[in-house]
Amino acid sequence: AQKVTQAQTEISVVEKEDVTLDCVYETRDTTYYLFWYKQPPSGELVFLIRRNSFDEQNEISGRYSWNFQKSTSSFNFTITASQVVDSAVYFCALSELNSGNTPLVFGKGTRLSVIA
Amino acid sequence: DAMVIQNPRYQVTQFGKPVTLSCSQTLNHNVMYWYQQKSSQAPKLLFHYYDKDFNNEADTPDNFQSRRPNTSFCFLDIRSPGLGDAAMYLCATSSRTGASYNEQFFGPGTRLTVL
Repeated sequence: AQKVTQAQTEISVVEKEDVTLDCVYETRDTTYYLFWYKQPPSGELVFLIRRNSFDEQNEISGRYSWNFQKSTSSFNFTITASQVVDSAVYFCALSELNSGNTPLVFGKGTRLSVIA
Repeated sequence: DAMVIQNPRYQVTQFGKPVTLSCSQTLNHNVMYWYQQKSSQAPKLLFHYYDKDFNNEADTPDNFQSRRPNTSFCFLDIRSPGLGDAAMYLCATSSRTGASYNEQFFGPGTRLTVL
């Protein structure tokens, strides 16, 4: 069965610090997608990235970067030089392509607070 | 801009009084989802439509129903809301190719209060 674990429930950092949010997943499928979503206080879930299981290249988008390691079943998310606007709950999620039963399974989320 | 719209943003209902939440999309996606999210929890999938094909999650209570009259609209009906149904309800859409569900785009949510 598919499962996503975000061990960090809450993280607080001071503005301009770098912070890494951990995500570990379990799946028996060989083909899957991994996602990160951001949920600011307004409540809307904002899509950040999708990664295919066959593509282990790390990705950088501005201050955001993602490290995908199949060997450790991890898909970690790093924010460089954090800002107050980064304060939100961040969800990691998994979608198995071959089972098709459950489109998306979320982790429990990590609440990030960036303090000015 | 293409988007997912939910109305109303805030809904107050009384215990046992039926309520309907609505969602519309301009993305022309073939899949629409309804999630329930309680405070400090991850979103929980209630059901989804792939075109007109309805897929109910096994643990979704019978109290929750859904309708999708066309590609653009999807409704969540709560037949007899209980206090435990107070939550944020999120609508999302995605495209699907074969068995592959692509990234989901979420609406702003409807926060339901049950008095």
